[in-house]
Amino acid sequence: SQTIHQWPATLVQPVGSPLSLECTVEGTSNPNLYWYRQAAGRGLQLLFYSVGIGQISSEVPQNLSASRPQDRQFILSSKKLLLSDSGFYLCAWSAGGRGYGYTFGSGTRLTVV
Amino acid sequence: AQSVAQPEDQVNVAEGNPLTVKCTYSVSGNPYLFWYVQYPNRGLQFLLKYITGDNLVKGSYGFEAEFNKSQTSFHLKKPSALVSDSALYFCAVRLYRNSGNTPLVFGKGTRLSVIA
Repeated sequence: SQTIHQWPATLVQPVGSPLSLECTVEGTSNPNLYWYRQAAGRGLQLLFYSVGIGQISSEVPQNLSASRPQDRQFILSSKKLLLSDSGFYLCAWSAGGRGYGYTFGSGTRLTVV
Repeated sequence: AQSVAQPEDQVNVAEGNPLTVKCTYSVSGNPYLFWYVQYPNRGLQFLLKYITGDNLVKGSYGFEAEFNKSQTSFHLKKPSALVSDSALYFCAVRLYRNSGNTPLVFGKGTRLSVIA
């Protein structure tokens, strides 16, 4: 069966420090991968998605970047964190095609201080 | 623009009563609609989806949703609410794009509170 792992679960980082969040999927190949941010426990904002290795689409220009160095690995990064980067970050994967929903990771709570 | 809306920030219902969480959509072509639930500090869990076929879709934990094309709605329902149903509920639509990339777009979420 397919599983998705996301870590760390919580992170407290000072302003101006770098960020690296990792997400990996097991049990499938060539998944579509996504990074979402959830602010204030409500709406989900799509940040990045990837349909293949090295293929990254950015939905919202901001202080973050994403990379997909391997088929089932998706990394969210920042060179210098801002206070506004605080939030709950969710990774998800799906099979190709519109009929498939997403499977989400357990999330990372990032607090920038 | 293609979008999905959840008009209620909060829904309160007494345990044992029926519940409805509302969702409306605006998409190009046939809609691919989903409902997810989120418990505190957790990822989202899939409840159900509508792709085609019967307008009434049954999902996990006794939830169902009714697709109404004329009203462009996809309301989530449950005949008898449980306290454990209290959570944040998201409606989502899979976008249609000529590029073939079709990410899910989520509504703002509705917080359901079931009172004992």
